[in-house]
Amino acid sequence: NAGVTQTPKFRVLKTGQSMTLLCAQDMNHEYMYWYRQDPGMGLRLIHYSVGEGTTAKGEVPDGYNVSRLKKQNFLLGLESAAPSQTSVYFCATTLGGGYTFGSGTRLTVV
Amino acid sequence: SQQGEEDPQALSIQEGENATMNCSYKTSINNLQWYRQNSGRGLVHLILIRSNEREKHSGRLRVTLDTSKKSSSLLITASRAADTASYFCATDSENTGFQKLVFGTGTRLLVSP
Repeated sequence: NAGVTQTPKFRVLKTGQSMTLLCAQDMNHEYMYWYRQDPGMGLRLIHYSVGEGTTAKGEVPDGYNVSRLKKQNFLLGLESAAPSQTSVYFCATTLGGGYTFGSGTRLTVV
Repeated sequence: SQQGEEDPQALSIQEGENATMNCSYKTSINNLQWYRQNSGRGLVHLILIRSNEREKHSGRLRVTLDTSKKSSSLLITASRAADTASYFCATDSENTGFQKLVFGTGTRLLVSP
């Protein structure tokens, strides 16, 4: 029972490159979320999903896209990375109530 | 925009002392939650308190909620070095109609042996 698994754990991108962050959960949770964490700013919601096949924008969605083709997976895409997207990205899931977080992806865009 | 603001931003205490962190928020809520984050790790859920509750306990944790003042406090009693971490409050606003937590900026707690 792994809970919430994020891959990769670390990545360095050049400006303009693209990449996909994967979040996989084995808890059968409906709700999934992508947050970014920057120093002094707490966590900010990028996108979220209330179930398979659904996605919605959060507080800071620009520059990101998401997909939830399968209930257990929530993908976060950066089509053209920018230095402002340097951050730690966290995925979280819930049935309602407390969230379960992944261990994060540390992304640096140079 | 941040819904919750924690106070203080940083707190340094000795083992065995109590640690109190406060959270203020802006809009009406369904529930308020507290999370812990150890350095370089993901957040861990500690406790959830609903808007109709005033106090909740879990082990050495005590959370209070005052909806009239839009504030909450987290008390850690008899702190240990292992409690060293950042602590975040998060609110679920009743306006969204769906659970979508908004996190504060956190309190960094350092517990020295």
